[in-house]
Amino acid sequence: AQSVSQHNHHVILSEAASLELGCNYSYGGTVNLFWYVQYPGQHLQLLLKYFSGDPLVKGIKGFEAEFIKSKFSFNLRKPSVQWSDTAEYFCAVNVRGSQGNLIFGKGTKLSVKP
Amino acid sequence: EPEVTQTPSHQVTQMGQEVILRCVPISNHLYFYWYRQILGQKVEFLVSFYNNEISEKSEIFDDQFSVERPDGSNFTLKIRSTKLEDSAMYFCASSEQGPSYGYTFGSGTRLTVV
Repeated sequence: AQSVSQHNHHVILSEAASLELGCNYSYGGTVNLFWYVQYPGQHLQLLLKYFSGDPLVKGIKGFEAEFIKSKFSFNLRKPSVQWSDTAEYFCAVNVRGSQGNLIFGKGTKLSVKP
Repeated sequence: EPEVTQTPSHQVTQMGQEVILRCVPISNHLYFYWYRQILGQKVEFLVSFYNNEISEKSEIFDDQFSVERPDGSNFTLKIRSTKLEDSAMYFCASSEQGPSYGYTFGSGTRLTVV
C-alpha cells in the first residue's frame, strides 16, 4: 500500500532561518504530490503541487518543493521563515489515474520563534 | 476566494446516536470528498463522490457511514450509530475537475462522541 512519511514531527526555528521539511512516499508508479498547510484553528490550504514538468515547484508565501524521483522525495523549503509560518505542514500523494483520494503524511508542526 | 463550508463546526453526540455532517462544496466543483483526522493522527481518506455516486471508499468507510448530495448543493456525511472512536475532525473537500487540480478543504467539523 502507498504511504507517505514525514520524518520531522516538530521543528522549531527562529525567524529568518531556512526551512526544509522532509517528505518521502512509497509507490512505484506515477504520482501527484502536494503540500498542505494548516494554520492554528484553520482548514487545510494548498501550498503547492507537482504533477509533471519542472521538478522544482514554487508555491504560495515563498515556499518551494523539489521532486526527486530517484529518492521518492518531495521536500518543502523556504529560505527565510516568518513567525506567521507557524503551522502544521502535511505532505500528500495521490496516484495518477485513481479517483484522487489523497494519502497524507502525519504532518510536521513548525514553530517559528519571533 | 470560493470556500467549502462545513456545519456545524463542533458537534457533541452520545454513543449510538446518528449524526449528519454537512458540507457545501464550491459551486462549480464536481468531485467531493470526506476525510477525517483523529486527534494526533494523520488525515485519512474516507470517501470520494462523483456524478451522484461513490467513486472510491476506504476501509474506514463501513456500513455505518453514508454520503448523500440531496439537493445539488449540500454534501452530507451520515454516521448511523456513532462510536467513541468516531471522535475526530471531519473535513469535506471538493475539486473542480478531479485529483490533478488539488482540493479545496472546508474548515472541518469536530465530532465528539461521549
